[in-house]
Amino acid sequence: DAKTTQPPSMDCAEGRAANLPCNHSTISGNEYVYWYRQIHSQGPQYIIHGLKNNETNEMASLIITEDRKSSTLILPHATLRDTAVYYCIVRGPYTNAGKSTFGDGTTLTVKP
Amino acid sequence: NAGVTQTPKFRILKIGQSMTLQCTQDMNHNYMYWYRQDPGMGLKLIYYSVGAGITDKGEVPNGYNVSRSTTEDFPLRLELAAPSQTSVYFCASSGSGRTGELFFGEGSRLTVL
Repeated sequence: DAKTTQPPSMDCAEGRAANLPCNHSTISGNEYVYWYRQIHSQGPQYIIHGLKNNETNEMASLIITEDRKSSTLILPHATLRDTAVYYCIVRGPYTNAGKSTFGDGTTLTVKP
Repeated sequence: NAGVTQTPKFRILKIGQSMTLQCTQDMNHNYMYWYRQDPGMGLKLIYYSVGAGITDKGEVPNGYNVSRSTTEDFPLRLELAAPSQTSVYFCASSGSGRTGELFFGEGSRLTVL
């Protein structure tokens, strides 16, 4: 599975959009991009995933660049409860889900 | 649905003691996993199971054992607890080993003194 690079921390004002970047320049054509978040001391929570098209659900939007070398998770109206560590994971279709590599992630702090 | 349930939430052990962390899921998932997370670090896979009766080692299996007698339950056993096993333990499940997302429990915080 391709390695990912994320900034260690980011701040966002409450009510504004939070844009979390992820670099995955060595991604292969059949590898998916997954996003999870971990609110303090809780188990990680699945947010969204995509292959090449942009995806949106009730929690967030995922924008994947055309060359698929990077992606951005967008929380459209961040709230204080969105303060968490966000993990970007690249995983191939033949890799067991549980062997996903949860690295250091990005610590997002939403400020009032 | 309760999802993935872990017990206990907190436990303090003395060096050399043994204990079992319980994990149960009600989503009829075949795949289940145990992770540990040390302070400020990412998750490390301890053991996983692809179905009842089948288990396999992850990245850091030493000092742990698992069993999977039913689809619902995946207990993690710590034998001869050591301070290095002080950590937060997470159980997770997925419906598919390939494309499914992971569902996590709330974690079990273990301290070994």
